[in-house]
Amino acid sequence: SQQGEEDPQALSIQEGENATMNCSYKTSINNLQWYRQNSGRGLVHLILIRSNEREKHSGRLRVTLDTSKKSSSLLITASRAADTASYFCATVYNNDMRFGAGTRLTVKP
Amino acid sequence: GAGVSQSPSNKVTEKGKDVELRCDPISGHTALYWYRQSLGQGLEFLIYFQGNSAPDKSGLPSDRFSAERTGGSVSTLTIQRTQQEDSAVYLCASSRETGGGNTIYFGEGSWLTVV
Repeated sequence: SQQGEEDPQALSIQEGENATMNCSYKTSINNLQWYRQNSGRGLVHLILIRSNEREKHSGRLRVTLDTSKKSSSLLITASRAADTASYFCATVYNNDMRFGAGTRLTVKP
Repeated sequence: GAGVSQSPSNKVTEKGKDVELRCDPISGHTALYWYRQSLGQGLEFLIYFQGNSAPDKSGLPSDRFSAERTGGSVSTLTIQRTQQEDSAVYLCASSRETGGGNTIYFGEGSWLTVV
């Protein structure tokens, strides 16, 4: 079964704009991770935020976590056409890792 | 190995046949996961292994699905009497330690088509 729910399901923006994707979940977590997937194959790990952290940065990525609201957001700044992909959040509790349905991001050149 | 390796990368099988999908995790990774992803959908959790044991098998869709892991390394996902609804990408992932604090690395998946 899935755990996280991303919204929006699809997002289309112009190159240079910022993209924000949200993830909500229902149960306890040790950490929350964001992944990117191109062309329906393997997923690439982007960033991990632990349950005791509130914000984390990696390059053009910024992730926030609000455990009281059971939600997280992924911000991609200054988007590029190469950022076009599906983005998934995954909640981890012990070794149990569950994914949401993903957000399909399209960045138009 | 350098990354998670899955085989076959693509498999076309006839309805009713059995298939085996293989996953070679990164060397030294104790946790191993199987997910299924239908076209355009999210990842559906199937099963995970801690070492050779599987604490949670509740994600397996039916008793036609089984998985094993031997020697704390290679895992095989077996689907018996395949049905067309089994068509999907089957993704394997592994991570180093328990406790959920580590990055999980994915293979490129095995694309199964049941005709």
